[in-house]
Amino acid sequence: AQKVTQAQTEISVVEKEDVTLDCVYETRDTTYYLFWYKQPPSGELVFLIRRNSFDEQNEISGRYSWNFQKSTSSFNFTITASQVVDSAVYFCALRVHQAGTALIFGKGTTLSVSS
Amino acid sequence: EPEVTQTPSHQVTQMGQEVILRCVPISNHLYFYWYRQILGQKVEFLVSFYNNEISEKSEIFDDQFSVERPDGSNFTLKIRSTKLEDSAMYFCASSATGTGWTGELFFGEGSRLTVL
Repeated sequence: AQKVTQAQTEISVVEKEDVTLDCVYETRDTTYYLFWYKQPPSGELVFLIRRNSFDEQNEISGRYSWNFQKSTSSFNFTITASQVVDSAVYFCALRVHQAGTALIFGKGTTLSVSS
Repeated sequence: EPEVTQTPSHQVTQMGQEVILRCVPISNHLYFYWYRQILGQKVEFLVSFYNNEISEKSEIFDDQFSVERPDGSNFTLKIRSTKLEDSAMYFCASSATGTGWTGELFFGEGSRLTVL
C-alpha cells in the first residue's frame, strides 16, 4: 500500500523567509511518481512538479526547489524568499507506475506568508 | 492548452436528493478519476475508470455512488441519495497512457457540493 505523510500541518512565515515543506512517502513499488500540488484559497489544484523514482536529481524552478532522496523516502519542497501569494495548502502525492492507479495525497501543509 | 472542465462549479441540494456532477476530460486521455475533498481535509481518491468500467475504487465509493461515461466526452459522478457528509469539493481528473506516459493527472477546477 502507498502512503504519503506531511507531518507539518501549518507553517507561518514572514515574507522573504525561506520555508521547507516536508514529505515522506511509503511504497513497495520500485517505479513510482511523486508530485507536489498547490491549492490556493480559490480551491483548484495547481500542479507544481512531478519526479519519477529513477531521477533523484534535485530541481529548481525560480524560487521553488525540490529535494528527492530515495534513501530517506523524502521529497521535500523549499520556497525561497517566500511571498504572500505563496499562501496556500500544499499537497505531496504519490502514484505507482501503472496507468489508472490512484494518486495518493498527503494531508497537506497550510502555508501562511504574512507581509 | 487542453484542460479538464467540470460543471457545475457549485451545487446546493437537499439531503436525500440525487446529484450528478459532470466532467469533460482531456480529449485524448483514457483514464478518468473522481476525487473528493471535504472542507479543510485532504484530497481523497474515489474511483478510476477505464474502457467503460471501474478499474479501481476506494472504500468511500459505496453503493450511493456511480460513474458513467454516457457519450464520447462526458464523465459523470452520480450520488443517488445525498447525505450531509457528502458535502465536499469533488475533483475530476484524467490521464493519458501509452508511450511517454508521465503519471500525471490533470485536474479540473472542482465542483463544490453543499448538502443541506
